[in-house]
Amino acid sequence: QVRLQESGPGLVKPSQTLSLTCTVSGASISSPNYYWGWIRQPPGKGLEWIGSFYHGVTTYYNPSLKSRVTISVDKSKNQFSLELNSMTATDTAVYFCARQPIEVVSLHFDSWGQGTLVTVSS
Amino acid sequence: SSELTQDPVVSVALGQTVRITCQGDSLRTYFATWYQQQKPGQTPVLLIYGENIRPSGIPERFSGSISGTTASLTITGAQAEDEADYYCNSRDNSGNVIFGGGTKLTVL
Repeated sequence: QVRLQESGPGLVKPSQTLSLTCTVSGASISSPNYYWGWIRQPPGKGLEWIGSFYHGVTTYYNPSLKSRVTISVDKSKNQFSLELNSMTATDTAVYFCARQPIEVVSLHFDSWGQGTLVTVSS
Repeated sequence: SSELTQDPVVSVALGQTVRITCQGDSLRTYFATWYQQQKPGQTPVLLIYGENIRPSGIPERFSGSISGTTASLTITGAQAEDEADYYCNSRDNSGNVIFGGGTKLTVL
């Protein structure tokens, strides 16, 4: 059974860079059958896709966040990370990592981490 | 359009049937996926994906359908525990991942 666990700071200062890590167990992030991604949810608002990567090589980002986002991979630790720079209060959110089976037409995220709340405040 | 539009609030009487909709031009090309989120910030649960596929453990009262550019999640015989937020998810016409704004379902 796959398990995803987010980790990182709960508080980030404005203008700083957020760094979060997702540790995966029960599945390999190098598998050709899945994308792995990040999704966030600001307080009281809906879900927003941040970006995903495939096979540890190809990355896809939300166009609205692309200029500030980097997703990287550590295959040796079966982890992937999110960096979001120039943080502002509007980036305050619960950040989830999730697994996405490689299906084009029937996109879905079938396993999620528990989420981690990141607050942007000085 | 690169958006998925959902009604913000829907209510249903206990035991009755309710339809939650998700409208978007890209749904002519891509299936809609449905998630349930019991409380904001909690992990969403995958309910329906593809051509009305329910993952293991999802009750049969949840079903999905599509008509033109509108996808629907139907709950047949709503239970008290179905009171939650529901999100649709698909791709926009450029292939990017998008989510609907969510529907808060109240079970009366």
